[in-house]
Amino acid sequence: EVQLVESGGGLVQPGGSLKLSCAASGFTFSGSAMHWVRQASGKGLEWVGRIRSKANSYATAYAASVKGRFTISRDDSKNTAYLQMNSLKTEDTAVYYCTLLREDAFDIWGQGTMVTVSS
Amino acid sequence: SSELTQDPAVSVALGQTVRITCQGDSLRSYYASWYQQKPGQAPVLVIYGKNNRPSGIPDRFSGSSSGNTASLTITGAQAEDEADYYCNSRDSSGNHLRVFGGGTKLTVL
Repeated sequence: EVQLVESGGGLVQPGGSLKLSCAASGFTFSGSAMHWVRQASGKGLEWVGRIRSKANSYATAYAASVKGRFTISRDDSKNTAYLQMNSLKTEDTAVYYCTLLREDAFDIWGQGTMVTVSS
Repeated sequence: SSELTQDPAVSVALGQTVRITCQGDSLRSYYASWYQQKPGQAPVLVIYGKNNRPSGIPDRFSGSSSGNTASLTITGAQAEDEADYYCNSRDSSGNHLRVFGGGTKLTVL
């Protein structure tokens, strides 16, 4: 079964840091581009960023709203992608999903992990 | 602001046909994919590519595209189709970033 499981969410103060993980199973993780998407309560989906495979030089890209503060990485030996979030703001409060891009569509999603940025 | 524009809300009578649209410059070059999201759940892919449905998605869901507009059509809407629907595609910058539409809340009457 193809599965993505996020973890690492929680409560953090403004200006703080948090690292999310996305554990993958059931597909060839090393050859896949992994994306992060977030959703604030009552709001729409927002694409956060992605990391490509080793064959594509682990290239990363980010939304303007998080560029310079968030970093996506991966460990293919652990079938896990990461989202390092620094300099967190209250507006980063959201459910964070990791998702698998195949045939130019996000066909597998994790269950999401909640990040709350508050003092 | 989103580079893909959707109507915030649409309603349809049970068993009737409804079209949900998504507009954006990037759609002239790239297909949109469509996601259904019910409260408290992760999004689910319903349409991708020219008009492809993942396994398990009913054939009442279909997709089409013309110019800068992509459309998701539900033919014979069911009560369980009431949900938020989002389109997604590449952005128009040429940097292969992704962008979502603002979402459409579908109400089945």
